[in-house]
Amino acid sequence: DPKIIQKPKYLVAVTGSEKILICEQYLGHNAMYWYRQSAKKPLEFMFSYSYQKLMDNQTASSRFQPQSSKKNHLDLQITALKPDDSATYFCASSISKGVRAEVFFGKGTRLTVV
Amino acid sequence: GDSVTQTEGPVTVSESESLIINCTYSATSIAYPNLFWYVRYPGEGLQLLLKVITAGQKGSSRGFEATYNKETTSFHLQKASVQESDSAVYYCALGEGNNRIFFGDGTQLVVKP
Repeated sequence: DPKIIQKPKYLVAVTGSEKILICEQYLGHNAMYWYRQSAKKPLEFMFSYSYQKLMDNQTASSRFQPQSSKKNHLDLQITALKPDDSATYFCASSISKGVRAEVFFGKGTRLTVV
Repeated sequence: GDSVTQTEGPVTVSESESLIINCTYSATSIAYPNLFWYVRYPGEGLQLLLKVITAGQKGSSRGFEATYNKETTSFHLQKASVQESDSAVYYCALGEGNNRIFFGDGTQLVVKP
């Protein structure tokens, strides 16, 4: 059974619209992350949260806003979508934000902006 | 900044042949980063294959090995005899102090029967 659930698996959005990518983890972890992989680019770190608080933000655009309503949730709201936002977005988690903690990844949400 | 460079894919080998996927890293934010190999099998999420957190040590899993070489800043992935089920995309990665992970571009491995 997958322990990190990302929904939806595929998403098509119109330029200028807003979407929310859902992530729930059932590993009892305290730290959660978002990564993005665009075409022909490596996986890139976006955000990290620890105990529902933002720890690190490497995303320049404020159009990307993580939302943590529960300890095991970290959704990603994206507003004013652009075609360049097309990518696979991966949610991840670890027991803590410490450097020795293993990071587990979800299967990703593939977003296409048309 | 921190970065990882790995063998460009696809890499095609025949079953039972040996494999090496090269990986070199550059770490500017941390002296001794954690080093990882992740794997993504078709239709699956990213999985940790092996990790090494101490320079000079070797990690191994499922027949794969990688040695953390601080002198050459390398972390090459090797396997003596690959199987068709090893076909996947392999990512070399570096972890720094905030548990931020920097990934290479990934190397697609195709194992022919």
